[in-house]
Amino acid sequence: NAGVTQTPKFRVLKTGQSMTLLCAQDMNHEYMYWYRQDPGMGLRLIHYSVGEGTTAKGEVPDGYNVSRLKKQNFLLGLESAAPSQTSVYFCASSRDVYEQYFGPGTRLTVT
Amino acid sequence: GQQVMQIPQYQHVQEGEDFTTYCNSSTTLSNIQWYKQRPGGHPVFLIQLVKSGEVKKQKRLTFQFGEAKKNSSLHITATQTTDVGTYFCANQNAGNNRKLIWGLGTSLAVNP
Repeated sequence: NAGVTQTPKFRVLKTGQSMTLLCAQDMNHEYMYWYRQDPGMGLRLIHYSVGEGTTAKGEVPDGYNVSRLKKQNFLLGLESAAPSQTSVYFCASSRDVYEQYFGPGTRLTVT
Repeated sequence: GQQVMQIPQYQHVQEGEDFTTYCNSSTTLSNIQWYKQRPGGHPVFLIQLVKSGEVKKQKRLTFQFGEAKKNSSLHITATQTTDVGTYFCANQNAGNNRKLIWGLGTSLAVNP
């Protein structure tokens, strides 16, 4: 099992550009999450999904959109990137009340 | 909303010394999960505590959940350089979305 994979691993965007981060999991987990991690800020939840076809806002959803058309995939979109979105993005998945499994992260820089 | 406070923010120790990080809440926690993130890596689950007063051990790591379920601790005995990283505690939302409420983490540096 690959677990949770994320693509791309690194990306540099210019302000105003758009991109999509892809998260895939092969563990048949219902729950999936997108976090951003900034120095001193811990992990902040952007959006999450409790099952295929569902999405919900986390604590910092502004400037991001998500989709979960297939159970194994959770996409995070930035429609118009801003320097404030420079961060490390982690995707995670979980099976009900159990632990979250994290992907390796995407390091995004917006100039 | 519910917050999980984690202290200290940073800790430097000499290899062989013990280390403890604490997780506190003003409200009763449904459970506590502990994660470790190595520098440049991603968070990795260590353990989950559910019961009041629960104590679990993993080799040199000892995890405790307070009797009132408002605090938890992670203690590492005789630290090694492989223990370097940031340790996070998190409380799982008791509702149906399974969100985790995260502490800000304790960064551990170990001098060889």
